[in-house]
Amino acid sequence: AIRMTQSPSSFSASTGDRVTITCRASQGISSYLAWYQQKPGKAPKLLIYAASTLQSGVPSRFSGSGSGTDFTLTISCLQSEDFATYYCQQYYSYPPSTFGQGTKLEIK
Amino acid sequence: EVQLVESGGGLVQPGGSLRLSCAASGFTFSSYAMHWVRQAPGKGLEYVSAISSNGGSTYYANSVKGRFTISRDNSKNTLYLQMGSLRAEDMAVYYCARVRGSSGHYYFDYWGQGTLVTVSS
Repeated sequence: AIRMTQSPSSFSASTGDRVTITCRASQGISSYLAWYQQKPGKAPKLLIYAASTLQSGVPSRFSGSGSGTDFTLTISCLQSEDFATYYCQQYYSYPPSTFGQGTKLEIK
Repeated sequence: EVQLVESGGGLVQPGGSLRLSCAASGFTFSSYAMHWVRQAPGKGLEYVSAISSNGGSTYYANSVKGRFTISRDNSKNTLYLQMGSLRAEDMAVYYCARVRGSSGHYYFDYWGQGTLVTVSS
């Protein structure tokens, strides 16, 4: 199975900061990558699919980029509601699709 | 509005069985493949099982193969996961999720709220 590695695993930032989370695939996955946001006690929420396409209703401060093996999720201006755990998911090889281990974004 | 509502979780002893359900509404259930994804306490997301829109194709993670059975009833808009020979490592919140995509490349656009399965004596 394709392994997905996110970095960092956790970090802290302040409201208004620009933050970037990285996801690396163990082999090329074209642009078949999705990003999810999960808040404590809640289900994951789709943010981005096809590496850079924003899901309907997701604020434009979220953006995604990359193709092949290296991908990034950027939040341009952190809001209080953005503190959560973020997961990447490859869906090039399906089934199974595989998730990264998650990146926990905490308030500094 | 798309809604997925899981039920059936609870406390079960090691070696026991449990059946989870996921009631779908707000979309044409029979047109979508569906999945189960789980999350152990404090851990990440793990792909468990998948079923095609007509139920003709299924997939299981190696960790549950031979112990879990996924099924669906399109007349009732409901997805199921029959879990048997449960182990401590099966303890998790189980989510059902709808897929989007095409040509064998699918991501999850809607998730249920999850149901907790606790395996303990």
